[in-house]
Amino acid sequence: DIQMTQSPSSLSASVGDRVTITCRASQAISNSLAWYQQQEGKAPKLLLHTASRLESGVPSRFSGSGSGTVYTLTIRSLQPEDFGTYYCHQYYSLPGTFGLGTKVEIK
Amino acid sequence: QVQLVQSGAEVKKPGASVKVSCKASGYTFTDYGISWVRQAPGQGLEWMGWISGYNGNTNYAQKFQDRVTMTTDTSTTTAYMELRTLRFDDTAVYFCVREDYSSGWYPYWGQGTPVTVS
Repeated sequence: DIQMTQSPSSLSASVGDRVTITCRASQAISNSLAWYQQQEGKAPKLLLHTASRLESGVPSRFSGSGSGTVYTLTIRSLQPEDFGTYYCHQYYSLPGTFGLGTKVEIK
Repeated sequence: QVQLVQSGAEVKKPGASVKVSCKASGYTFTDYGISWVRQAPGQGLEWMGWISGYNGNTNYAQKFQDRVTMTTDTSTTTAYMELRTLRFDDTAVYFCVREDYSSGWYPYWGQGTPVTVS
């Protein structure tokens, strides 16, 4: 199975800050990477797929980049509604695997 | 619009079985498969397996191979996930999810079904 290592595990940032979350795969995954946001008690919500493609309806302050084994999610200007836990997900090979999450708190 | 509506919370004893349902609507059921993903309390997400909405073919994660059965009922556009021989560490929220075509990523999620083994 491909292991996904996500960092940091948590962060606290102010509204307007730029936030970056990194995900490292144990082998190359050819941009087969998605990012989700999960808020307490809710199902995860898809933000991006194919490493950098924004899902319809997701604000443009979210962006993704990377290649090979290292991928990043950037929130350009953090908003109050961006709190929650963010997960990366590789779907390059089965079983699809997820990172352990990054909890984002608003200062 | 695509909707996945799951059955309600369950409480089971160790060794018992649980069967969770996922009623799909808003698309042609047989055009897509359904996957199941679970999340233990305070933990990350874990893929359990996939079932074709077309012909019922399945692909289970090795970890669950011996204990899980996924089925569909095309007449009611409902997918089911049964987990047997429950253990305390099966306590989790179970989600059904649908891909976008055969993309691999999940834009569509059920609301989740909490299963408590106690």
